[in-house]
Amino acid sequence: GESVGLHLPTLSVQEGDNSIINCAYSNSASDYFIWYKQESGKGPQFIIDIRSNMDKRQGQRVTVLLNKTVKHLSLQIAATQPGDSAVYFCAENPPGYALNFGKGTSLLVTP
Amino acid sequence: NAGVTQTPKFRILKIGQSMTLQCAQDMNHNYMYWYRQDPGMGLKLIYYSVGAGITDKGEVPNGYNVSRSTTEYFPLRLELAAPSQTSVYFCASVGQGNTEAFFGQGTRLTVV
Repeated sequence: GESVGLHLPTLSVQEGDNSIINCAYSNSASDYFIWYKQESGKGPQFIIDIRSNMDKRQGQRVTVLLNKTVKHLSLQIAATQPGDSAVYFCAENPPGYALNFGKGTSLLVTP
Repeated sequence: NAGVTQTPKFRILKIGQSMTLQCAQDMNHNYMYWYRQDPGMGLKLIYYSVGAGITDKGEVPNGYNVSRSTTEYFPLRLELAAPSQTSVYFCASVGQGNTEAFFGQGTRLTVV
């Protein structure tokens, strides 16, 4: 079936730097795309979403970019903090179906 | 609101045993989902429900069954446990017209 995938399985950044996590998706019919953060031993938590008719959305310290031409999604985290260390998943929501998650990227923030 | 509650948190099963993973949400959400997460991997959809009385298969439904008799509860049943079902299971719910899925804390299942 169609899938959502991530380019980088692990990412190490220094505290204070900006982080960029990338994701490729394949289902062009998805209504929206979502980023989730999963801390060790916990369930995923919603970070931010973006509708398919948008190309950028900003939240608090996070920005999601959507490039439908190349089916690419990215999450930018500004001024990365130790508390940002987690696994980040992108997900897509095809119409009439459930959330389809990618493999995930582990973000490690070093002092 | 408690959100999404899963029980038990941990369980060890012997091959061939059966069990039910419980999931309850108190947000009156229509949509509920069961995912499994293997170590170092993403979440794979097992079953989902768009409302009471309606369930559908996801990506990996074999070996599992679900029911949705009420809006609040969405139990996942394993009839004949196999080592391949060793995983962490997450239940999630989404409200009508919303995009944010709320996840439970997970059930860590080991089949030996």
